[in-house]
Amino acid sequence: KAGVTQTPRYLIKTRGQQVTLSCSPISGHRSVSWYQQTPGQGLQFLFEYFSETQRNKGNFPGRFSGRQFSNSRSEMNVSTLELGDSALYLCASSLEGTYNSPLHFGNGTRLTVT
Amino acid sequence: QKEVEQDPGPLSVPEGAIVSLNCTYSNSAFQYFMWYRQYSRKGPELLMYTYSSGNKEDGRFTAQVDKSSKYISLFIRDSQPSDSATYLCAMSDGNNRLAFGKGNQVVVIP
Repeated sequence: KAGVTQTPRYLIKTRGQQVTLSCSPISGHRSVSWYQQTPGQGLQFLFEYFSETQRNKGNFPGRFSGRQFSNSRSEMNVSTLELGDSALYLCASSLEGTYNSPLHFGNGTRLTVT
Repeated sequence: QKEVEQDPGPLSVPEGAIVSLNCTYSNSAFQYFMWYRQYSRKGPELLMYTYSSGNKEDGRFTAQVDKSSKYISLFIRDSQPSDSATYLCAMSDGNNRLAFGKGNQVVVIP
């Protein structure tokens, strides 16, 4: 069974631009979560989608948004990029949800904002 | 007090030694416990998933949960250079709370 696939693997953007990241979950998984990982803060929860609905949201500004499609694939968008948005963005899928079934992560998208 | 505490390391051990990692937590509602391994430039990979207290063994890996002490551990026996990675603990209440440790870097020296 294929794992979680994230594209692109690397992105370099300049301040003020926007970016869209893509995630394909494991087949049959209905929940997709997004995390930001930085050396100083570790893994920080962005949001979770289940059956095309945002079910949970972390403490990030409105510049960070996402959506999920009917095939469970998900996209995350960051607008008006800031230098501090440079991070590894990880997508994770799970069978039923973030809290009662284990998360399976993709290899992430490394975003560099210059 | 942070919800999950994990010593960031790094922890260096010689090949063949036992690696011992642990996390402490403050939320007594946590009942699902996970350990992830993350190699450089890769995403976290699920190693162990346990429910409630007790031990779980999978090959060279053993996960222990002591809910009374709010303490979880991961042991790696006969460590190999390929075990060099960052190990993250994670825990959930099964309802609306999931928390990660910041990760512990392990280096196994040949």
